[in-house]
Order: sequence, then structure tokens, then C-alpha cells
Amino acid sequence: DGGITQSPKYLFRKEGQNVTLSCEQNLNHDAMYWYRQDPGQGLRLIYYSQIVNDFQKGDIAEGYSVSREKKESFPLTVTSAQKNPTAFYLCASSIDPPWGAGDSNQPQHFGDGTRLSIL
Amino acid sequence: GQQVMQIPQYQHVQEGEDFTTYCNSSTTLSNIQWYKQRPGGHPVFLIQLVKSGEVKKQKRLTFQFGEAKKNSSLHITATQTTDVGTYFCAGLPGYNFNKFYFGSGTKLNVKP
Repeated sequence: DGGITQSPKYLFRKEGQNVTLSCEQNLNHDAMYWYRQDPGQGLRLIYYSQIVNDFQKGDIAEGYSVSREKKESFPLTVTSAQKNPTAFYLCASSIDPPWGAGDSNQPQHFGDGTRLSIL
Repeated sequence: GQQVMQIPQYQHVQEGEDFTTYCNSSTTLSNIQWYKQRPGGHPVFLIQLVKSGEVKKQKRLTFQFGEAKKNSSLHITATQTTDVGTYFCAGLPGYNFNKFYFGSGTKLNVKP
């Protein structure tokens, strides 16, 4: 059964610590995304990757880092530089990245999320 | 910068009443997508609109894309308790096809 797997479901971070959130997809999708969701707010884009070995900063990339060494994997590291990391983190993928007007733009498929809290 | 505003933030309705959420963009959009997130869940894609003035229906849900492609709405007729959740729009700007911008969402609560 194809899908996106995020782990862990819950994560606690100590001050000064880096933590890594896992995101794996077996949908053979080229594009992958990381979003942060805070209560009462929409989804804010942290990083996105349109193809393996390439990624771009989103709107709130400071304090985060990513890698895309394999098509199916897009891990997110929340560094100690991120002073307010408590949030719900969602990983998503789409067949292709957005590339033009029209029906060709594909929907995003989301994982179940990781809830990160500060100890 | 690009913004997609969504109102209202919350809506409480009695089961059977109608519900509408609105999205407005500061710039013209190429596409707009709609997602639903159930409590404790993740967003799930509902529909995509691409043409000016487009209207699409899914059972009790009606989606519209404005003539100027700067606004969109989702209307639910005769809400049911299964409609509970947060509805998000996501717009793709006409000037930059790199990424969709999500609205802040409308949280719908349906009282039986």
C-alpha cells in the first residue's frame, strides 16, 4: 500500500539539541515538502524538493535543514537555532512539482505528522 | 509577499445548516486546491480549480473560482457531523509556479 510515513509520531527536544524527523514515501513522487502547523494557523512551508539532490528554502527555513539523497526520503532536522520548535510537522509529496498553469499540477499527499515538543 | 487569506477562522453550525469558507489572494492565481483536515489527522486533497469562474461540485460540496482568479469559496449544503474538520485552500501564484501557498484554514464544528 503506497503512502507517506513520518516518524516518530511524537518527539521531545531538549534545549540545545538537534533532532531529525523522518519522512519516507513509496509513491515514486518527485516532489517532497515539509510544513509546520501551529494552532489556528495554516501550513507554512519550511523546505521543498522538486527532485532528488535538490531542495529549496520555503517561507520559514531558518533553524531547519534538510537533505534529499534518495527519491523516497526527505528528512528534516530541527536545529538548536530554531528557538520555538514546538509545532506539528507535516511532510507531503506530489507526483511532480508545480510547473505551470492548468490541470497538470498535482495534489499533495500528506503523512500523519510528527508532533514536536520542548522538554 | 504572496498571501492567501481565508475566512472565517472558525464556524460553528447546527447539523443541517449550510457552511461557506472564503479564500482571497493578493495576486492572481493559476490554480487553487482545497484540502480537508479532520481533527488529529492530516490534510487530504479535495479538488483543484484552474479556470476563471469555474464551479465544481462533489455531492454536498460546491467549489468556486472567481472570475479574476483571486478568490475562491467552498460551500457545504446541509452540513453533517462528518463534515467536521479544518478546510484549507492552497493557491499557486500566476507569477511563480514553484509552490502553493496555504490559507490559514477554517475550522468547522457541526453540532448534532
